[in-house]
Amino acid sequence: AQSVTQLDSQVPVFEEAPVELRCNYSSSVSVYLFWYVQYPNQGLQLLLKYLSGSTLVESINGFEAEFNKSQTSFHLRKPSVHISDTAEYFCAVSAGFGNEKLTFGTGTRLTIIP
Amino acid sequence: DADVTQTPRNRITKTGKRIMLECSQTKGHDRMYWYRQDPGLGLRLIYYSFDVKDINKGEISDGYSVSRQAQAKFSLSLESAIPNQTALYFCATSDLGTSGGNEQFFGPGTRLTVL
Repeated sequence: AQSVTQLDSQVPVFEEAPVELRCNYSSSVSVYLFWYVQYPNQGLQLLLKYLSGSTLVESINGFEAEFNKSQTSFHLRKPSVHISDTAEYFCAVSAGFGNEKLTFGTGTRLTIIP
Repeated sequence: DADVTQTPRNRITKTGKRIMLECSQTKGHDRMYWYRQDPGLGLRLIYYSFDVKDINKGEISDGYSVSRQAQAKFSLSLESAIPNQTALYFCATSDLGTSGGNEQFFGPGTRLTVL
């Protein structure tokens, strides 16, 4: 079985400052890792994913995450945040190809301070 | 048009009432899921279905039932609603051809309040 820990339930950050949202997972098998974003009053949207290959993955809006197998982490980072990044961010893990069940973390609410 | 739709978007009901939440998708995916979201708890899986004849319980299925009427439709029922079922409910779909079935696509959610 897999589990995901997002230690920070809320992260306030000033606009244009960098941010890191932490995600740690546990699994006895190889994993796929995901970050989903939920904007206010909306459903979840995929932000980025790690399936295999390069451990650094990027999204189209400037976020990136690095898969670190030794530390079992998949932290999400952005060098300069904008007001529009205000949302809740969920880290999720699955046990690889064909195993379609996702286990979600409890979420991190990112608030951007003008 | 949205690929995954949920109806209703909001519902207020009373304890003991039977409620059905519906989900439809036009993505052609064979796998469908129901989650509930509660503040501080993230998303928890209620039921999932890998095809029309396949229904599986998730981690919190007690008090819920589902019906997969067609590949594109997956309904969630609360036979006798209780206040602690007040939550935001999401339907999602996936397909083996997309990230090995692991990438899920979510509907906009149904906010259910049980008084």
